[in-house]
Amino acid sequence: DTGVSQNPRHKITKRGQNVTFRCDPISEHNRLYWYRQTLGQGPEFLTYFQNEAQLEKSRLLSDRFSAERPKGSFSTLEIQRTEQGDSAMYLCAGTSGSTDTQYFGPGTRLTVL
Amino acid sequence: QKEVEQNSGPLSVPEGAIASLNCTYSDRGSQSFFWYRQYSGKSPELIMSIYSNGDKEDGRFTAQLNKASQYVSLLIRDSQPSDSATYLCAVNILSSGSARQLTFGSGTQLTVLP
Repeated sequence: DTGVSQNPRHKITKRGQNVTFRCDPISEHNRLYWYRQTLGQGPEFLTYFQNEAQLEKSRLLSDRFSAERPKGSFSTLEIQRTEQGDSAMYLCAGTSGSTDTQYFGPGTRLTVL
Repeated sequence: QKEVEQNSGPLSVPEGAIASLNCTYSDRGSQSFFWYRQYSGKSPELIMSIYSNGDKEDGRFTAQLNKASQYVSLLIRDSQPSDSATYLCAVNILSSGSARQLTFGSGTQLTVLP
């Protein structure tokens, strides 16, 4: 158990609906990452926070995606106007100090019908 | 050219054998290398990290790094059926814009046959 939790674990939604996912890292994780993973592929980087500052966003992160990390603790990832292509596992990872070692939460599996 | 490449497999080995998983990466300046194990439907779980050329051993797992050849491998000794999973190679690719994000290969599916 990495101590990183994600909710919900599964989400089924209809195309066009908005969804929000939450990630709770451990308190030591000053850096937090969001990744997306589709079947048969490795995780792809979406965005990165150092404390509450969002320092980088991937080109994969369209305008329909937004992420926040208020107060540098938990983080949320929102997808607006979901599309079937958004169906994937959304993974959150935390890390601390000078290490690059990232510890993943259990993920949220999104299915867009 | 993909930044991190792995043989997709599937790779099958008999129980008790050595499984060898390979990974190449494109950025010669990369400093940090990781192997994650991922069971079907689960999230990646860290197995090993390696930062210096040579071998690093942890129990039945040995990671090998050769920066000159831009190559990292994972050996699993005395393979067990419980080792059956997808193994992901991850590299800190400096050219991706951040010194902190990881770039993953697509994974190698390993099956250990009883």
